[in-house]
Amino acid sequence: KAGVTQTPRYLIKTRGQQVTLSCSPISGHRSVSWYQQTPGQGLQFLFEYFSETQRNKGNFPGRFSGRQFSNSRSEMNVSTLELGDSALYLCASSLDRAYYEQYFGPGTRLTVT
Amino acid sequence: AQKITQTQPGMFVQEKEAVTLDCTYDTSDQSYGLFWYKQPSSGEMIFLIYQGSYDEQNATEGRYSLNFQKARKSANLVISASQLGDSAMYFCAMREVTVTGNQFYFGTGTSLTVIP
Repeated sequence: KAGVTQTPRYLIKTRGQQVTLSCSPISGHRSVSWYQQTPGQGLQFLFEYFSETQRNKGNFPGRFSGRQFSNSRSEMNVSTLELGDSALYLCASSLDRAYYEQYFGPGTRLTVT
Repeated sequence: AQKITQTQPGMFVQEKEAVTLDCTYDTSDQSYGLFWYKQPSSGEMIFLIYQGSYDEQNATEGRYSLNFQKARKSANLVISASQLGDSAMYFCAMREVTVTGNQFYFGTGTSLTVIP
């Protein structure tokens, strides 16, 4: 079974630009979550999507948005990039049960200059 | 209050020895899941082991075991016979099922270094 894939793996953007990150979950997984990981803040939850609907959202500004398609693939968008948005963005998928673990993708490392 | 607390920022262990990584959690739910993940320097989060709140026996997966003490709200990870490849960051996590969906909480991690 193929794992979670994320594209691109690395990205360099300039302040003020916008970026879109993509995540393809494991086949059969309908829940997709996004996380931001930085050395200072650790792993922070961005949002969770299930069946094309955002179910939970972390404490991030509205510049961070996402969506999920009917095939469960998800995209995350960050507009008006700031230097502080430089981070590893991790996507994770899981079955929609409390007793199932999340499987993570390799992440997208975003650098904002 | 922190949902997941990992009090050991860094740990060292001799190769072939066992090591315990601490994790305590905070929840008022009866149904939840506890997980441990490993993150090598490459960045990918690797699932290691899972424990359900209703599981009476401690979970084990190869050299990994989870010491689950529900009354104390602790879920420590035990790695037996440490290997050099075990050097990585280790994260404890909890999954709660909310009215609107699922919420995962992660600890700040413990950096494990295995010494030859």
